[in-house]
Amino acid sequence: DIVMTQSPDSLAVSLGERATINCKSSQSVLYSSNNKNYLAWYQQRPGQPPKLLIYWASTRESGVPDRFSGSGSGTDFTLTISSLQAEDVAVYYCQQHYSSPYTFGQGTKLEIK
Amino acid sequence: EVQLVETGGGLIQPGGSLRLSCAASGFTVSSNYMSWVRQAPGKGLEWVSVIYSGGSTFYADSVKGRFTISRDNSKNTLYLHMNSLRAEDTAVYYCARDRLVGSLRGGFDPWGQGTLVTVSS
Repeated sequence: DIVMTQSPDSLAVSLGERATINCKSSQSVLYSSNNKNYLAWYQQRPGQPPKLLIYWASTRESGVPDRFSGSGSGTDFTLTISSLQAEDVAVYYCQQHYSSPYTFGQGTKLEIK
Repeated sequence: EVQLVETGGGLIQPGGSLRLSCAASGFTVSSNYMSWVRQAPGKGLEWVSVIYSGGSTFYADSVKGRFTISRDNSKNTLYLHMNSLRAEDTAVYYCARDRLVGSLRGGFDPWGQGTLVTVSS
């Protein structure tokens, strides 16, 4: 099984500042046949289902603000929020859907400092 | 509108059985990879099971042999049959589509609102 490890577990950032969340997979999630990393990022606000933010490691989902960006390839990935807004308070998860079981990271709780 | 609606959760005694349903609209369940994901109270997301468009099924080790994923193409509905339920199966259960972008899978979207399963005597 591919183990997904996020860091940090929690993060407090001032409004307007940058937030960075890291995700590491125990095996590569890059499909060589199509050069896509099967790595997604989700945002979950309290009482809500997860919301897809980023897929293929760096492709922003339609309607997601451009302050959210994803980067990385292979086993190391990063979600960056360039200028934190109050509505970004949530738990963020990375997930690999490269191979079953489609494992999630443990989550990173993002708060306002 | 692309949408998933889960039903079937509730309070069940340890050792009991339950069937969750996930009704889809706006797309065809059988043409997509469909998963169940659960979230225990105050905890993170745990992937549970997937059914591929071709019909193959896979499970997390924690539910293997106890849970069965299936679909009814005529009803465009996904199911999760849960047997031998344990206290640690208590969670909100979500269904989600591993949606296609062109011909490639591009992340879980949409998600249903979830249905709560509580296993307790």
